[in-house]
Amino acid sequence: AQRVTQPEKLLSVFKGAPVELKCNYSYSGSPELFWYVQYSRQRLQLLLRHISRESIKGFTADLNKGETSFHLKKPFAQEEDSAMYYCALIQTGANSKLTFGKGITLSVRP
Amino acid sequence: DAGVTQSPTHLIKTRGQHVTLRCSPISGHKSVSWYQQVLGQGPQFIFQYYEKEERGRGNFPDRFSARQFPNYSSELNVNALLLGDSALYLCASSLAGVRTEAFFGQGTRLTVV
Repeated sequence: AQRVTQPEKLLSVFKGAPVELKCNYSYSGSPELFWYVQYSRQRLQLLLRHISRESIKGFTADLNKGETSFHLKKPFAQEEDSAMYYCALIQTGANSKLTFGKGITLSVRP
Repeated sequence: DAGVTQSPTHLIKTRGQHVTLRCSPISGHKSVSWYQQVLGQGPQFIFQYYEKEERGRGNFPDRFSARQFPNYSSELNVNALLLGDSALYLCASSLAGVRTEAFFGQGTRLTVV
């Protein structure tokens, strides 16, 4: 069965510091990976997906199939990045079932 | 566009009761999925419906059921409520049934006492 692991619950950094939110997955096929974000008092929303290879709000994530990782990175954190971040995957050829990690709280201090 | 709307926003029920949660997808979206999010955990998949047919079911007991209506709105029903059913229930809609972006509602906070 597929699994998504986010090993840390909380990451606290100062504004301008680099950020890396870790995500590892286990799945035998070729999954599609996502990062979702939930800002305070807002709904869960898609931040980025690996197939689009975009940089959203300065965040990037590269799928490393060898290490089965999909870490989220940003070189210079901003206070408005403070939020809950969830890594998720969809398995190949299936429905749209998302398997989420437990999430990590990012706190960016001024 | 109001996005995905869920009702009610909050609900308190007693153990053993039944509850119905409702979801209206974004206009044009034909797929609706339901997730349960317990405090401190990520959302966990319960059901997916596409074109009014069940396309996927998570590891939840038969007390949980759902359906999708001709207008693509959906209901999640939970029978014989347990304390452990207390959670945030999220609905997500997407254009198609497979691997398309999911848009989430604000959720229904269910408390079972």
